[in-house]
Amino acid sequence: NAGVTQTPKFQVLKTGQSMTLQCAQDMNHNSMYWYRQDPGMGLRLIYYSASEGTTDKGEVPNGYNVSRLNKREFSLRLESAAPSQTSVYFCATTTGSGNTIYFGEGSWLTVV
Amino acid sequence: GNSVTQMEGPVTLSEEAFLTINCTYTATGYPSLFWYVQYPGEGLQLLLKATKADDKGSNKGFEATYRKETTSFHLEKGSVQVSDSAVYFCALRDYKLSFGAGTTVTVRA
Repeated sequence: NAGVTQTPKFQVLKTGQSMTLQCAQDMNHNSMYWYRQDPGMGLRLIYYSASEGTTDKGEVPNGYNVSRLNKREFSLRLESAAPSQTSVYFCATTTGSGNTIYFGEGSWLTVV
Repeated sequence: GNSVTQMEGPVTLSEEAFLTINCTYTATGYPSLFWYVQYPGEGLQLLLKATKADDKGSNKGFEATYRKETTSFHLEKGSVQVSDSAVYFCALRDYKLSFGAGTTVTVRA
């Protein structure tokens, strides 16, 4: 019963490098989200996907791209990492009613 | 668009003190409201939720009531413990999830 699985858990990147954060859920939910968490700023929505094949920008999409590969997977890509993207990233998914939100364990990313 | 505003921290309390964290929201329609808790070094855990006006969510001694007339969902606990030290997030879900900035609570023995 994995729920929401994020990989990697920790990553250090050099400025300009690219990487993809992977997220998979085994709950057959339609909606999936990517957030970043920064001190004093709470959780800010980067992108979300209401269903397979659709994605929409959130509050802070610049510097990121996403792919909803299928119903299970929603990946977040940094094409050219910047120190401002040092953060903790959380993937989340919700039930159809939206009454329960499930989070992954988080991915700690440092860009040097 | 939808948004959540919660009181800024940090909040420092003594054990057995009363805790209130204010949360107000702006939304069209009738969102569901949540409180999440994040303990040091961990991810977010659902603390409680309410899905319609006048609902009261409760868990682990915490309570919050969905007040449509004041667009609020304040979190309360009557007697806090050291183990309640964490960051608390208010959130709403309409067509997407929106979170407040988080309130850091520290409880001293």
